[in-house]
Amino acid sequence: NAGVMQNPRHLVRRRGQEARLRCSPMKGHSHVYWYRQLPEEGLKFMVYLQKENIIDESGMPKERFSAEFPKEGPSILRIQQVVRGDSAAYFCASSPRTGEAGELFFGEGSRLTVL
Amino acid sequence: DQQVKQNSPSLSVQEGRISILNCDYTNSMFDYFLWYKKYPAEGPTFLISISSIKDKNEDGRFTVFLNKSAKHLSLHIVPSQPGDSAVYFCAARDGYKLSFGAGTTVTVRA
Repeated sequence: NAGVMQNPRHLVRRRGQEARLRCSPMKGHSHVYWYRQLPEEGLKFMVYLQKENIIDESGMPKERFSAEFPKEGPSILRIQQVVRGDSAAYFCASSPRTGEAGELFFGEGSRLTVL
Repeated sequence: DQQVKQNSPSLSVQEGRISILNCDYTNSMFDYFLWYKKYPAEGPTFLISISSIKDKNEDGRFTVFLNKSAKHLSLHIVPSQPGDSAVYFCAARDGYKLSFGAGTTVTVRA
């Protein structure tokens, strides 16, 4: 499968625990985006990363959320001390070109449920 | 601040008829507009796009119209097929960011 791979597909956490979501971009893509979809809403931009660099994290909550895209391995979206409001679907997307968001290729999403 | 709005949360259409989905935006800096289709438990998949310098783009059964003066775009699907039943998201690009509408759920009736 050469598409964007996300895992886990479903994650259940209790309040105060940590959630780690992983994303492997499509082969040849070095640009990764994370979006969040709350119930009944559209996808909201969170962060844009290139290998080892955070380009734009303006959509990330200031606290508890962090993202990385190391030289080797998948991109990680980390949520510390989760709260119920963090329950959402988190989508990762990748693109091959700098600044090109015209056609993002999305993964199937990771659905986080906070109890 | 919702810059892209899809005011119809749902649309029901008979198979073979035309589906028309609407989208409004507020940001004049958007230079590219896209439609994505999403099935349950899957990620959005790209459907069709249009540059801000054009007013129409057609791809098979799908046509997107852009009215810049009204800051409005629409997606026409004709003829509608059962496999078109999905959530359709309108998206607009500013630089590398996409802003999405809340989606319209299309149900194609046999």
